[in-house]
Amino acid sequence: NAGVMQNPRHLVRRRGQEARLRCSPMKGHSHVYWYRQLPEEGLKFMVYLQKENIIDESGMPKERFSAEFPKEGPSILRIQQVVRGDSAAYFCASSPWGASTDTQYFGPGTRLTVL
Amino acid sequence: KQEVTQIPAALSVPEGENLVLNCSFTDSAIYNLQWFRQDPGKGLTSLLLIQSSQREQTSGRLNASLDKSSGRSTLYIAASQPGDSATYLCAVGPMEYGNKLVFGAGTILRVKS
Repeated sequence: NAGVMQNPRHLVRRRGQEARLRCSPMKGHSHVYWYRQLPEEGLKFMVYLQKENIIDESGMPKERFSAEFPKEGPSILRIQQVVRGDSAAYFCASSPWGASTDTQYFGPGTRLTVL
Repeated sequence: KQEVTQIPAALSVPEGENLVLNCSFTDSAIYNLQWFRQDPGKGLTSLLLIQSSQREQTSGRLNASLDKSSGRSTLYIAASQPGDSATYLCAVGPMEYGNKLVFGAGTILRVKS
């Protein structure tokens, strides 16, 4: 059973470009979480999704950021018109049911650098 | 608003020592608490998950305790090894559906051979 997959592992963008980060959850998991780790800071929750639904996006900036988890395919975190402050490691996690008894399994992360 | 603090921020010990990492949280209304390990440039590996009704969990040389009423957890590592060197993160799952985790900033551990 493959773990959580994220790609790309490293992404370089110039200011104003778009960044698309992909996350494939573990097989059988229908709950996906995105977290961001800014340099020298802890991980911060961004958004929680189930298939075709955004459940909680309270940690995601209101502008330029969006997330989806379609019926087929990976979850996508999209950042439009990137700025230098978006440079961070973005981690995806998945769990089977979103229950308090679930362990969240994390992917290796995508490290975004904005030039 | 839940806040999670980890002490110390960094720790360097000789191989073989037993050590304790501390985690405190401000809101005791949690469903669970999880300890993770993060290696440089890598993702997170879950070490132990303690449900709010539990007091401790053990896995190999690791033991994590939870005192929900005082808002504290400790991760005990026995007989430390150089391979234990990593950043250790504590995260709490608040009492709301979805189990979004609130993380501490981590303790950077270095075990010297």
